[in-house]
Amino acid sequence: DARVTQTPRHKVTEMGQEVTMRCQPILGHNTVFWYRQTMMQGLELLAYFRNRAPLDDSGMPKDRFSAEMPDATLATLKIQPSEPRDSAVYFCASGLVLSQNSYEQYFGPGTRLTVT
Amino acid sequence: GDSVTQMEGPVTLSEEAFLTINCTYTATGYPSLFWYVQYPGEGLQLLLKATKADDKGSNKGFEATYRKETTSFHLEKGSVQVSDSAVYFCALGPDTGRRALTFGSGTRLQVQP
Repeated sequence: DARVTQTPRHKVTEMGQEVTMRCQPILGHNTVFWYRQTMMQGLELLAYFRNRAPLDDSGMPKDRFSAEMPDATLATLKIQPSEPRDSAVYFCASGLVLSQNSYEQYFGPGTRLTVT
Repeated sequence: GDSVTQMEGPVTLSEEAFLTINCTYTATGYPSLFWYVQYPGEGLQLLLKATKADDKGSNKGFEATYRKETTSFHLEKGSVQVSDSAVYFCALGPDTGRRALTFGSGTRLQVQP
């Protein structure tokens, strides 16, 4: 039963600290996404990779957030420095795009981040 | 631009009641349509999908029909259970100029025993 895994599941940190969230996409998937979910804003797309290349990070605050895929089995999302307004649940998702009409996306369990 | 509009929640029903969650969309092209479900403390899970007009997606007793003429993809279930309590998200699939899923704001369903 292939799944997207995320670590850590929970993170509490102080303002100004660096936070790194990790994601292992489903083997063979060619797209990876990072989302942020808050009560106020709902589900926001932060970044999107296809075949490990970043295609869209327009939803991400550039001054403090960065997303990378060092290899096909690992995606990372970093926040430096973190701020209380970054508190949210961060989801990674992976998918396989075969055609416009053949596409599915699977989500990880999320990392709940609290910045105090 | 492309968008998905869902009915405001929460939707509160008694067990065994009939469920409808409305979803309408605005999009260029002919995207696939999806419903995702998020149980408390978990990530989103794909519930069902439809890839072209008049297709019906179904799973776990839930159904939704892709209606191009009304640009809708309403989610229905004939008899809800307490275990169906969750947040439901309607989404547009990728298409020309749209690289990722476009999600609605989500509708919370609460089913009471």
